[in-house]
Amino acid sequence: DIQMTQSPSSLSASVGDRVTITCRASQGISRWLAWYQQKPEKAPESLIYAASSLQSGVPSRFSGSGSGTDFTLTISNLQPEDFATYYCQQYSNDPITFGQGTRLEIK
Amino acid sequence: EVQLVQSGAEVKKPGESLKISCKGSGYTFTSYWIGWVRQMPGKGLEWMGIIYPGDSDTRYSPSFQGQVTISADRSISTAFLQWSSLKASDTAIYYCARRHTGYQYFDLWGRGTLVTVSS
Repeated sequence: DIQMTQSPSSLSASVGDRVTITCRASQGISRWLAWYQQKPEKAPESLIYAASSLQSGVPSRFSGSGSGTDFTLTISNLQPEDFATYYCQQYSNDPITFGQGTRLEIK
Repeated sequence: EVQLVQSGAEVKKPGESLKISCKGSGYTFTSYWIGWVRQMPGKGLEWMGIIYPGDSDTRYSPSFQGQVTISADRSISTAFLQWSSLKASDTAIYYCARRHTGYQYFDLWGRGTLVTVSS
């Protein structure tokens, strides 16, 4: 199985900040990577697919980059509604695997 | 509206059986894979398996193979996840999600079904 490791596991930031979350795959996955946002008591929602493509309706302050084994999710100009948990997911090989999540909290 | 509607919360005892559902609407149900994802209390997301309702081709994560059964009924645009004998450790929220045809990420999620297994 491909292991996905996110860092940090949690971080605190303020409204208006820019934050970056990283995701590392245990083997190369090309650009077969997605990012999801999950708010408390809610289902996950897709943000980014193919490493850097923005899901329709997602604000442009979200961006993704990377290929191979190293990926990043960047959120610019943090808004109150962005405080949530973020997961990366590889879909290069079955079984599909997720990172352990990064909890973004308000400072 | 394109959506996945999941069945309601369940409370069961260890050893009981259970089948939960996920109904797709607003799109051609048979043309997209439907996956199931487990989230245990306070934990992350785990992929359980996936089914293609068009021909019922099903794949399981090794971690869940033999523990659950995934099925689908094309006539009612519904996918199912079932257990024959529940354990307390099956307590979790179970999400169904549609896999995008081209890029294969999950582009549409159900709201989740909470399954509580307790004696």
